[in-house]
Amino acid sequence: DVKVTQSSRYLVKRTGEKVFLECVQDMDHENMFWYRQDPGLGLRLIYFSYDVKMKEKGDIPEGYSVSREKKERFSLILESASTNQTSMYLCASSKPGQGTAQETQYFGPGTRLLVL
Amino acid sequence: AQTVTQSQPEMSVQEAETVTLSCTYDTSESDYYLFWYKQPPSRQMILVIRQEAYKQQNATENRFSVNFQKAAKSFSLKISDSQLGDAAMYFCAYSRHNDMRFGAGTRLTVKP
Repeated sequence: DVKVTQSSRYLVKRTGEKVFLECVQDMDHENMFWYRQDPGLGLRLIYFSYDVKMKEKGDIPEGYSVSREKKERFSLILESASTNQTSMYLCASSKPGQGTAQETQYFGPGTRLLVL
Repeated sequence: AQTVTQSQPEMSVQEAETVTLSCTYDTSESDYYLFWYKQPPSRQMILVIRQEAYKQQNATENRFSVNFQKAAKSFSLKISDSQLGDAAMYFCAYSRHNDMRFGAGTRLTVKP
């Protein structure tokens, strides 16, 4: 089974703090994704990475950055947290060209972030 | 950009009954993938069912089946013999070239 883990389930931070959210997958997937989930909006893509040190902006990258130094690890960074970044953050991974699993993304448990 | 619409924010079903969740999407492409994901309360999002657009046959996974209408751009999920453990948020998703788009979700309640 694919396993995607995230460093924290719940996180409380202060406005202006630098926040690191980490995601690790154990299935040698090339693609990794960071989403933000808000009620009534579904999931929105923040950033994705298709290889080590590669990254692409998603739909809502403002206020976020990412780092992928190793294939299995993809970090989301909030340089200066703001209250409007209070949300659920989901990490996912997938393997390109994987036959019957092609385009299938596997999700981590999520990190619920509260910025005060 | 492709959009995915789930018109039912909330649905409820009696245990052992059947329920259908609706999903429509907008695309000009002919080759893509469609998914239903389940997110139980405070638990991980998991894949329920997957459909390749080039396949006419509707996908099935045990009690879960889809009605894929490509021309109408419709992709509904049918849950048969509903169980208490089916209670969750259900997300419909469209994906092409690893660009996955999600609907806003439908919250399903299962009544005992």
